[in-house]
Amino acid sequence: QKEVEQNSGPLSVPEGAIASLNCTYSDRVSQSFFWYRQYSGKSPELIMSIYSNGDKEDGRFTAQLNKASQYVSLLIRDSQPSDSATYLCAVTNNYGQNFVFGPGTRLSVLP
Amino acid sequence: DGGITQSPKYLFRKEGQNVTLSCEQNLNHDAMYWYRQDPGQGLRLIYYSQIVNDFQKGDIAEGYSVSREKKESFPLTVTSAQKNPTAFYLCASSIVQYNEQFFGPGTRLTVL
Repeated sequence: QKEVEQNSGPLSVPEGAIASLNCTYSDRVSQSFFWYRQYSGKSPELIMSIYSNGDKEDGRFTAQLNKASQYVSLLIRDSQPSDSATYLCAVTNNYGQNFVFGPGTRLSVLP
Repeated sequence: DGGITQSPKYLFRKEGQNVTLSCEQNLNHDAMYWYRQDPGQGLRLIYYSQIVNDFQKGDIAEGYSVSREKKESFPLTVTSAQKNPTAFYLCASSIVQYNEQFFGPGTRLTVL
């Protein structure tokens, strides 16, 4: 059974701080990794994708991937109250046939 | 505007009825997916399709059926065999080789 695990939270951080969201996965052949943001009652929105070991930065977001440790993380710098949402980690092989989502981590950014 | 549309936004079903949820995309994506999300939980894959006239079962296909007669359309039927259909249903699509999935706004189904 392929699994993706995340801390359910809630993770609370003060406004302006760095929020760190973590995800581990069990399938060693996983190749593609994604972070989605989901506001309450809305559909998921793609934030970042990462395919190679190391860091990938996009604005205030940085995704970090370590395939040896089967670990992917998302850092949000200068957190804003508008970042308060559930963050879903998703993992797949190169053909999208086993796209597995984690349960999500709820982030609360306190003004 | 390019995107994925789902209809209706809200749907109420009586027990024993079949209902069909619509999903249309104009992104020219080859692959389409259906997920179910229950309150406070992650997404579970119901069915997916990589090409027209072909689809595969996901993790929770029992009680559901799909068709893929056109590249743009991937309707989901929730049959009376689905014992607990009340949930938030999400359709997604992707260019197969890039895997990034983009979601429609969702349909919230309630069984009365």
